[in-house]
Amino acid sequence: DAGVIQSPRHEVTEMGQEVTLRCKPISGHDYLFWYRQTMMRGLELLIYFNNNVPIDDSGMPEDRFSAKMPNASFSNLKIQPSEPRDSAVYFCASSRWEKNIQYFGAGTRLSVL
Amino acid sequence: ILNVEQSPQSLHVQEGDSTNFTCSFPSSNFYALHWYRWETAKSPEALFVMTLNGDEKKKGRISATLNTKEGYSYLYIKGSQPEDSATYLCAFHMNTGFQKLVFGTGTRLLVSP
Repeated sequence: DAGVIQSPRHEVTEMGQEVTLRCKPISGHDYLFWYRQTMMRGLELLIYFNNNVPIDDSGMPEDRFSAKMPNASFSNLKIQPSEPRDSAVYFCASSRWEKNIQYFGAGTRLSVL
Repeated sequence: ILNVEQSPQSLHVQEGDSTNFTCSFPSSNFYALHWYRWETAKSPEALFVMTLNGDEKKKGRISATLNTKEGYSYLYIKGSQPEDSATYLCAFHMNTGFQKLVFGTGTRLLVSP
């Protein structure tokens, strides 16, 4: 298996622009998680899905952030409009419910200028 | 708000030294405790998932113990090598039926040759 695939690896954008981060989970995994890593707060959970349905979005910072999972093999995280304080590394992870060992993608490093 | 704390925040040891660090988590509503290893410029990788009080897990020179009654886990590295340099994260999984993990901020280990 190719593992969790995230794209792009790096994104540089200007304040106010829409940003879309993409994730392909491991085939057969029924949970998908979006995390944000910052120096101040470490690895924080933004939202997670079970069988494509959002279960807990309490970590989404504000209405500018949204995430969808239209099918079992794809999810996206959108920020609109983006702000410099959104600059961080965003990780996607997937797992199966039996063990909940989360497998992480390589991350997307976002820089908002 | 769940509090998962790790100590020390960082550690610098010489090759061959043995070391250990601590993860503290709530002693109530426990389901599992995860340890992840996170190398610089890579993504976190699962080391152990521990579910029972008194659990001990081992992988090579790395081992972990679990005390759910008092809410702590220790990670030990015997004979540290430079390739052990990484951030070690623990994550708490509550028994709420949800798959959410709450991560600590990690212990950054540097092993000098």
